[in-house]
Amino acid sequence: EADIYQTPRYLVIGTGKKITLECSQTMGHDKMYWYQQDPGMELHLIHYSYGVNSTEKGDLSSESTVSRIRTEHFPLTLESARPSHTSQYLCASSEYGQGRNEQYFGPGTRLTVT
Amino acid sequence: GEDVEQSLFLSVREGDSSVINCTYTDSSSTYLYWYKQEPGAGLQLLTYIFSNMDMKQDQRLTVLLNKKDKHLSLRIADTQTGDSAIYFCAAYGGSQGNLIFGKGTKLSVKP
Repeated sequence: EADIYQTPRYLVIGTGKKITLECSQTMGHDKMYWYQQDPGMELHLIHYSYGVNSTEKGDLSSESTVSRIRTEHFPLTLESARPSHTSQYLCASSEYGQGRNEQYFGPGTRLTVT
Repeated sequence: GEDVEQSLFLSVREGDSSVINCTYTDSSSTYLYWYKQEPGAGLQLLTYIFSNMDMKQDQRLTVLLNKKDKHLSLRIADTQTGDSAIYFCAAYGGSQGNLIFGKGTKLSVKP
């Protein structure tokens, strides 16, 4: 059973607000990820991290930023939310190195910007 | 880099078998995965297969791998309405060691 948590699960917020989506895992995984998921299902990797103080941009350009100060915590921040940021955001984690390294996902945050 | 393709929709009757297909491009992918996503939830790891295997069975799930054709399939026996979900195929690709996901296959099970 994967232990990865995301809060809030749902968020409705007005344009221009600053928001932080929280993601925490208790598995001691080094690698963490943020995905944005279209209504049409496709997953887009927007950020990932190899460990503490590591952040990398993913395949899809995003106006969001991330930080990794602690192994277990990987928050995502939008400085000024816009309607185009409305989406489902999924956080994941995995071990890093040789081997299976499958990703475990949190339940997601559904963000709506009005 | 790695590319993973899968058909977008599949509809079956309850009790039938479902077969979801996936193709990938990077022959060096060592592990291939199937994930399930139910409405409003994150992705749940269903099963995986190592690239030196042809088949893996886990209760109602059977994964078949044709490494020559770079083709992966997930068979669900005796499909139930609770199997209605989106199924994602994933493979490792690129120097960053990240998973590359297909676009997902939406499985609808009719009673």
